Amino acid sequence: AQTVTQSQPEMSVQEAETVTLSCTYDTSESDYYLFWYKQPPSRQMILVIRQEAYKQQNATENRFSVNFQKAAKSFSLKISDSQLGDAAMYFCAYRRNYGQNFVFGPGTRLSVLP
Amino acid sequence: GAGVSQSPSNKVTEKGKDVELRCDPISGHTALYWYRQSLGQGLEFLIYFQGNSAPDKSGLPSDRFSAERTGGSVSTLTIQRTQQEDSAVYLCASSPLRTVIETQYFGPGTRLLVL
Repeated sequence: AQTVTQSQPEMSVQEAETVTLSCTYDTSESDYYLFWYKQPPSRQMILVIRQEAYKQQNATENRFSVNFQKAAKSFSLKISDSQLGDAAMYFCAYRRNYGQNFVFGPGTRLSVLP
Repeated sequence: GAGVSQSPSNKVTEKGKDVELRCDPISGHTALYWYRQSLGQGLEFLIYFQGNSAPDKSGLPSDRFSAERTGGSVSTLTIQRTQQEDSAVYLCASSPLRTVIETQYFGPGTRLLVL
């Protein structure tokens, strides 16, 4: 079974600084999809960024980017120019293929310090 | 347009009672997921509906848990004879599944407290 690991239960970053959240996963598949979700205190899960495993280019969405290392099975999230609104739980998720359910990591709680 | 909605927002029940949690997915979304999130924890997959296919029930923790999706739209998660360890936030998500990379759209969740 696939597993997703986030080794940092909590992280903090100064406003305007950059922070990187770690995610590793275990799979024997070659084609799969990876996601980062944000869950603020409101509980509403929001997609931050996603990556297809067959694409070598790292995905980028404004201040959010990933470092996808397929051989290492690593999928870290970098948040640049951190803002107070970035404070939330961040979940890394894996999906094997069409029609399959998502597997989530345990989450990293990010605090942004003014 | 309207997002995924869940009701009730909060539910307090006594141990041993049955509860029903409702999820209204985004119109036209063929896939629907239920997850459980215990306090400070990640998401635990419960069940997954996709179109007219048989649901993937592999995540249901016990036979006290069941879910149905009527008419390919609204879904109800039922927990029978609730236990204190069932206390958690239950999240529903839907997806159009137009492409494999298609994401899920989450509802705000139902917070269940079993006394």
